Order: sequence, then C-alpha cells, then structure tokens
Amino acid sequence: QSVLTQPPSVSAAPGQKVTISCSGSSSNIGNNYVSWYQQLPGTAPKLLIYDNNKRPSGIPDRFSGSKSGTSATLGITGLQTGDEADYYCGTWDSSLSAGHVVFGGGTKLTVL
Amino acid sequence: QVQLVESGGGLVKPGGSLRLSCAASGFTFSDYYMSWIRQAPGKGLEWVSYISSSGSTIYYADSVKGRFTISRDNAKNSLYLQMNSLRAEDTAVYYCARFLVGEIAFDIWGQGTMVTVSS
Repeated sequence: QSVLTQPPSVSAAPGQKVTISCSGSSSNIGNNYVSWYQQLPGTAPKLLIYDNNKRPSGIPDRFSGSKSGTSATLGITGLQTGDEADYYCGTWDSSLSAGHVVFGGGTKLTVL
Repeated sequence: QVQLVESGGGLVKPGGSLRLSCAASGFTFSDYYMSWIRQAPGKGLEWVSYISSSGSTIYYADSVKGRFTISRDNAKNSLYLQMNSLRAEDTAVYYCARFLVGEIAFDIWGQGTMVTVSS
C-alpha cells in the first residue's frame, strides 16, 4: 500500500488530454515538492516534472504539473501513442522515519 | 553525456549478500546526492536509500535498514549498495539515480541491474 494514491489506470484517445492524480496528506504532498516520472515499457523511469510544475530541459510542454493542498496532478495534452507508459509521483514523507522518499503506486496510461 | 551505469546484479540465495555498483560520468559526481531505487517485477517504484554528496548523511527505507549499506567513492565517481541478509522480497531491478535533494527529484537514472533472491 503506497503512501501516495494514484489511479491504477487511465485511458484516452490520441490527441486528447488526460490527467493523473496523486493524493497524499499534510505529511507528504501538503508540505513538499512533488515530482513526476514516466516509465516506458522495459525502460528506466524518466523525470517529467519537478518542483510541482517545472519541466526539465527536453520535456515538451504537453506535460504539465500542478499541486493543490494534499493532491498533485499530472496533465498530458495532445496524447500520442508514444505516451503509453506508467507514470509515478514522488515526494518526501515526514510521517515515516526522517528523510524518507515515497512514490505513488503508479498509473498505467493507455492511448486508445 | 551524463550517464549512470549499474552493475553487480545476479542470482543469490536467501540470506546471501551482493554488492551493486553504479559508475557515473558526464557530471561532477561529488557535487550531488545519489540514491538507489528498486522495482520488484510488475510492481511500482520503491525508494531504498540515499547518500549526501560528501557521504556524511545517509537514509534508508525501513524495509532495508540494518541489512543494506550505501556508500560512495567520489574519487572513482562511483556509488555502491552492499546488500546483506537478502530475502525473496528484495528481488527487483535496482536503479541508481542522481538525487536533487532541494527539489526532491531524481533527474538522472541508470538502466538498472536485476537482483534475484531465490533458492
């Protein structure tokens, strides 16, 4: 059971927009930056979003992040078949032992 | 280019030990925190441990505390994970990642190395 809750799966048609939620509490998302990762099949995760809404160099602006209270959201517009992947959110959690990083359980995106 | 390459994975019996290595290149290794993250087959990501740039600050997930030891050699641009008393539930792909501690983000990942704990 992950500390951060994500929907197991989401789906949308090519060209459409999808959002993926990441729900937590005041001990994690509520008081810390959130990052998002994309893991294409058979590959290592890649950083998509950091500091809640910033994109590393090379990440297209089709990907966006936001945070409100104890929840964060990843948005993807102009869906492409190449976006089919697992997506994970991550942050600190201060309710556990000091210095712990936690991830959500992951969301599988299907582009129909 | 910026790169992390893990090695040392393999098949080990329950109770056994294994040492993973991660070779860094393309950036000033000694300037960055580093971390190990694992992923059991068909499962999500699980943070394992991180170490500060100097090696003076170290944290572990409760699931590995007392069994795993993270270390680094800044002269060799290398990160290590010594895994002792291995259990079946430690079976996973282990990723080395560069950790931006201020941003709480892992911005560079290796390709991973598979560890299988089985009799």
